[in-house]
This record gives sequence, structure tokens and C-alpha cells, in this order.
Amino acid sequence: GNSVTQMEGPVTLSEEAFLTINCTYTATGYPSLFWYVQYPGEGLQLLLKATKADDKGSNKGFEATYRKETTSFHLEKGSVQVSDSAVYFCAPKAGNTGKLIFGQGTTLQVKP
Amino acid sequence: DTAVSQTPKYLVTQMGNDKSIKCEQNLGHDTMYWYKQDSKKFLKIMFSYNNKELIINETVPNRFSPKSPDKAHLNLHINSLELGDSAVYFCASSQDLGRGSYEQYFGPGTRLTVT
Repeated sequence: GNSVTQMEGPVTLSEEAFLTINCTYTATGYPSLFWYVQYPGEGLQLLLKATKADDKGSNKGFEATYRKETTSFHLEKGSVQVSDSAVYFCAPKAGNTGKLIFGQGTTLQVKP
Repeated sequence: DTAVSQTPKYLVTQMGNDKSIKCEQNLGHDTMYWYKQDSKKFLKIMFSYNNKELIINETVPNRFSPKSPDKAHLNLHINSLELGDSAVYFCASSQDLGRGSYEQYFGPGTRLTVT
């Protein structure tokens, strides 16, 4: 079946540290891949996406590359800020129903 | 302008009651969704509607019934509430049915607490 595996959190970093959040997935067909972010007390919002192999999605200093051979879509940022503290969700979109496959996300806490 | 709005933001009620959560989107999207997020942040789709037609109906108790009066609204009615229904419920919408790479836009969530 379709599923996503993210590294368990919480991940605690100091400001300006390098961030990697690993994501691997199983999905039928050739899914589009998304990273969503949920700030405290808010709904999810799109962070970045990639639609085909080797595509790199980027936004707000975050990047992720669609790796079809390893079915991975790891999120990276070179220098995190306190304002990046949030829950991050990797989500492949499966099939033709628009169904996003979510896991439990990874909580990131950035300390000054 | 709020793209996807939900009411109420908080809902506290007792077991056995019936309650509804409303969702509206002003983005002109054809597809709307309901998700449930548990206390561990795990997010799971419950339903999706496209142009008022039910497309996705995950394994959800039949106490949960979505209703779409028009394509801009998707309400969630819950009968005979149970303690395990306590969660945050998110509404979302998207431009397409899923054949493309369009993103989903999420509402702010409704925190339901059943006592």
C-alpha cells in the first residue's frame, strides 16, 4: 500500500544549524511529492513540491530533490531560524484521486 | 481574504452528542477534503468531494457524514460522538481531482474535544 516514513522527532537544533529531515515513501505509479509545514496552531501550508525524477523543489531556503531510484524526498535547509520551528510533513500524492499520503510529520524546534 | 475557512475553531461537547463542522473555500476549487489529525500529529484523509460528488471515502465510521451543498462548501456531521473522536479536523481544497500536481489548501482546523 501507499505509505510515507519520516524520521521521528522532535528534532532540536540551534539557530543557523544545517537541517535534514529524511523522507521515504511507497506509492503506486509516479507520484508527485510534496512537503507541507504546519506552524503552531495553524493549518498545513505547502512548502515545496516536485513532480518528476531529479526535480528539485525549493522555497524559503528549503530544498528537496525527487529521488525515484531510492523513493526518497529528503528536506534540507542550510541555516535554520527560530521561525522555522514547526511540524513538517512529507506527502506523496497517489493515483488520480488527489489523495495525499501523510505520516505523523517531524517536529522541528530551533533554539536561539 | 481567507481561502479556506472552518467553523468553529474549537468545539467542546459531551459523548453521545451530534455536532457539525462547516467548511467554505473561496478559491473556486472543484475538490474538497476532510482530514483528521490525532494527538500525535498523524494526519489521515477521511473524505473528498469533487463537484459535490463523493470521491474518497476512507474507512471512517458511518457516524461521520460529509455533506456538500455546493462545490464551495463541505460540511462534516458527526453523530453520537465518542471520546476517540477528539482530534483536530482539517478541511482542504484543490484545483484538480488529483491528476496534476496542484497543491491542497488547508483550513485552520477545528479542535474537537469530546468529554
